[in-house]
Amino acid sequence: KQEVTQIPAALSVPEGENLVLNCSFTDSAIYNLQWFRQDPGKGLTSLLLIQSSQREQTSGRLNASLDKSSGRSTLYIAASQPGDSATYLCAVWPGANSKLTFGKGITLSVRP
Amino acid sequence: ETGVTQSPTHLIKTRGQQVTLRCSSQSGHNTVSWYQQALGQGPQFIFQYYREEENGRGNFPPRFSGLQFPNYSSELNVNALELDDSALYLCASSLGGIAGAGEQYFGPGTRLTVT
Repeated sequence: KQEVTQIPAALSVPEGENLVLNCSFTDSAIYNLQWFRQDPGKGLTSLLLIQSSQREQTSGRLNASLDKSSGRSTLYIAASQPGDSATYLCAVWPGANSKLTFGKGITLSVRP
Repeated sequence: ETGVTQSPTHLIKTRGQQVTLRCSSQSGHNTVSWYQQALGQGPQFIFQYYREEENGRGNFPPRFSGLQFPNYSSELNVNALELDDSALYLCASSLGGIAGAGEQYFGPGTRLTVT
C-alpha cells in the first residue's frame, strides 16, 4: 500500500528565504508525482507535475525534483513571499485506472 | 482557471439525511474522481468514474455512491449521513488512462457539515 509522508506538518519562515518542502513515498512504482497548493477552505491548485522519467520541473520560483529510486521529492521555493503562505500537498499516481495518493500536506507561513 | 466547478459551496445537513453534491468537469475530460478531505488531512480517494462507469473505489462504504453523465458532469451521493462525513469534498477531472498522464484538475470543493 502506497503511503506518502510530508514532514514537518508546519513551517514558518521570514520573507525572502529560500526553502525546501519534502515528500517521501513508500512504493517507487509511480507514473508521476504532483505538487498542489491549497489555501484555507479552498480546492487544490496544481503547481507542478513530474513524470517518472523526469528528474525535475520548474515554474517561476518553484522547482520540484523527483528521485524515484529513493522515494523522495522536494519542492523548492525561491525568495519566499507572504503570498506563498498556504498548505502544500504532494500526491503520487501509480498509473492508469489508479488513484492519487496524497500526503497530509505542509502548512507554510511566510512572515513579512 | 481549471474549469472544474462544484455546487453547492457549503452545505449543512442533519445526521441521517441524504446529500447530493455536483461537479462539472473540465471540457474534454472523460474521467472524474471524488475525494474527501477531513480537516488537517490529505484528500482521501472515494471513487472514480470513466465514461459513466465506476472505475475504482477507495475504502468508503456503499452509502457513498456516484453517477457520471454523458456530458461528463457527475454527482456524489451520500446516504444516512454521519457526523464523521463532515469534510471538504473535492472532485477532480482528467483525461482517462495513460493518455491523460494522471494530471488531475480540482474544483473548489463543497464544504459539508453534518450536525
